[in-house]
Amino acid sequence: AQSVSQHNHHVILSEAASLELGCNYSYGGTVNLFWYVQYPGQHLQLLLKYFSGDPLVKGIKGFEAEFIKSKFSFNLRKPSVQWSDTAEYFCAVNVRGGSGGGADGLTFGKGTHLIIQP
Amino acid sequence: DAEITQSPRHKITETGRQVTLACHQTWNHNNMFWYRQDLGHGLRLIHYSYGVQDTNKGEVSDGYSVSRSNTEDLPLTLESAASSQTSVYFCASSDGRTSDEQYFGPGTRLTVT
Repeated sequence: AQSVSQHNHHVILSEAASLELGCNYSYGGTVNLFWYVQYPGQHLQLLLKYFSGDPLVKGIKGFEAEFIKSKFSFNLRKPSVQWSDTAEYFCAVNVRGGSGGGADGLTFGKGTHLIIQP
Repeated sequence: DAEITQSPRHKITETGRQVTLACHQTWNHNNMFWYRQDLGHGLRLIHYSYGVQDTNKGEVSDGYSVSRSNTEDLPLTLESAASSQTSVYFCASSDGRTSDEQYFGPGTRLTVT
């Protein structure tokens, strides 16, 4: 079974600082990779995803992530954060083309609580 | 617009009662999933379904059941609610044929007293 590790549980940054959130997964096969964001009191929204192709993927709100297969990593980055980026961030994986003709459920990391100070 | 809805949004119940949480999607997705979210654990998969009459156990399925009688709905039942099942529950769906991206509902906050 796959697992996901997020390195930082709590991160506090000032506005305009650069952000990098670490994510590593363990699985020997081909996976799909996701970053979700959960703003306070809201449901999960997809920030970006990697299925195949260019390992540098761009998502919404200026976020990007780089898939490094040799390191089993999918770190999330943003050059300059804003106060509105305060949220919980989840890295997730699932096995591509799982049984039943679709993908299996997502395996999530425990999340990173990001606080941006004005 | 297509969407995924959950009801109720908040529920308080007593230990030992049976509780059913509803999930309805209008994406016409084959795949549906239930997760629970707990502090320090992220989201964990409870049950999932790849289509009508199909159900599968996830990581934390004990004490929960699901049934899939149509494409749109996957209700989650707690057979005998326990305090350990106090959590926020999210339903999700995905197409599974053209994309593995999952779309999440707004969540149900369940408190078992």
